[in-house]
Amino acid sequence: SQQGEEDPQALSIQEGENATMNCSYKTSINNLQWYRQNSGRGLVHLILIRSNEREKHSGRLRVTLDTSKKSSSLLITASRAADTASYFCANAVQGAQKLVFGQGTRLTINP
Amino acid sequence: GAVVSQHPSWVICKSGTSVKIECRSLDFQATTMFWYRQFPKQSLMLMATSNEGSKATYEQGVEKDKFLINHASLTLSTLTVTSAHPEDSSFYICSASRVFAGVKNIQYFGAGTRLSVL
Repeated sequence: SQQGEEDPQALSIQEGENATMNCSYKTSINNLQWYRQNSGRGLVHLILIRSNEREKHSGRLRVTLDTSKKSSSLLITASRAADTASYFCANAVQGAQKLVFGQGTRLTINP
Repeated sequence: GAVVSQHPSWVICKSGTSVKIECRSLDFQATTMFWYRQFPKQSLMLMATSNEGSKATYEQGVEKDKFLINHASLTLSTLTVTSAHPEDSSFYICSASRVFAGVKNIQYFGAGTRLSVL
């Protein structure tokens, strides 16, 4: 299977704390993307990092990419209750249109 | 922008009937659409890639005669679950991709369809 892994599988923190999720993938990539899914809904694209980038910021999101280790991390700073959701990384395999999604991290922010 | 509408959001049907799910890109043309299946608390499993005007490409293990995909226009793809059985009960999600800022594989997702087969 090409599916990567994410850890932790579940994370529960207090509002205001930072949340870090990690993702590993198996193949060479063009880019790596992070998506968010609220319970029972579709996914929403959050941020994309290209294979030649090492770090990227968007608002309270910070993504890093280490292609030598085939890993990425997503940091959400100053978490809010509304950030409660599942977060998936997805890598774009070189030469393919499709994305390969990780197993996801279920994040719970406690008020 | 980049809104994808999926309909219906929820369907209950009797075993043996067929169910059609529609996926529409509302404000952009999507040459490629994707169909996923998701089990509770699990990741998305890609079922097939749908290209406008051509046959869908199915992932290994997905029965193409069971899950019929039609992508007749640049804004509409349909998934028909034929002769549905209880084991087909699941959450089905579609997505559409477009070129944005030079990247062609960002996907925009529908809200999903929960299928319950009795």
